[in-house]
Amino acid sequence: SAVISQKPSRDICQRGTSLTIQCQVDSQVTMMFWYRQQPGQSLTLIATANQGSEATYESGFVIDKFPISRPNLTFSTLTVSNMSPEDSSIYLCSVMLSPDLVAFFGQGTRLTVV
Amino acid sequence: KNEVEQSPQNLTAQEGEFITINCSYSVGISALHWLQQHPGGGIVSLFMLSSGKKKHGRLIATINIQEKHSSLHITASHPRDSAVYICATEAAGNKLTFGGGTRVLVKP
Repeated sequence: SAVISQKPSRDICQRGTSLTIQCQVDSQVTMMFWYRQQPGQSLTLIATANQGSEATYESGFVIDKFPISRPNLTFSTLTVSNMSPEDSSIYLCSVMLSPDLVAFFGQGTRLTVV
Repeated sequence: KNEVEQSPQNLTAQEGEFITINCSYSVGISALHWLQQHPGGGIVSLFMLSSGKKKHGRLIATINIQEKHSSLHITASHPRDSAVYICATEAAGNKLTFGGGTRVLVKP
């Protein structure tokens, strides 16, 4: 199993500012995934973060808005830049662990932009 | 693009009842995950399936690859089973595509 520590758990931010979300895993993983869950909706993949290379973004998400760092095999950050109320969501990081590739999720960051 | 459809969207059951949640998808996948999301947002993995059937306690998950369909069953449901249940299909690169979720309420 994996323990994923994600912080902050929640924040209320002013529009136009940026928030960095941190995700720490207790084991080394090749890929880390960042998801967004907008109010009342299911999860959507933002990007896949690999150590030592740039993140791969899904359609509709861009690096300027959601820059990601992956400095080592246990840690990643997602920044939500120049925030607007439309960015109010839950943001989650996730990993899959071998050998069964079961998915593990952080507790989520509930972001409210005012 | 893979479309993942879950039914029903909402389900209310009396304690002890048998519950079934269905998940259909549109393209070939490498695996299917069933997840449980509690109020407050925490997500827990229940099953990862690539074929057949798995059982864990009162939970049973099945998948039919040919029909692109999976079901999650909860036997002898209990109020603590109240949560949102989400199916997610896995494609190349371990990327997950999520269904819309089924909100389950089990009344005592």
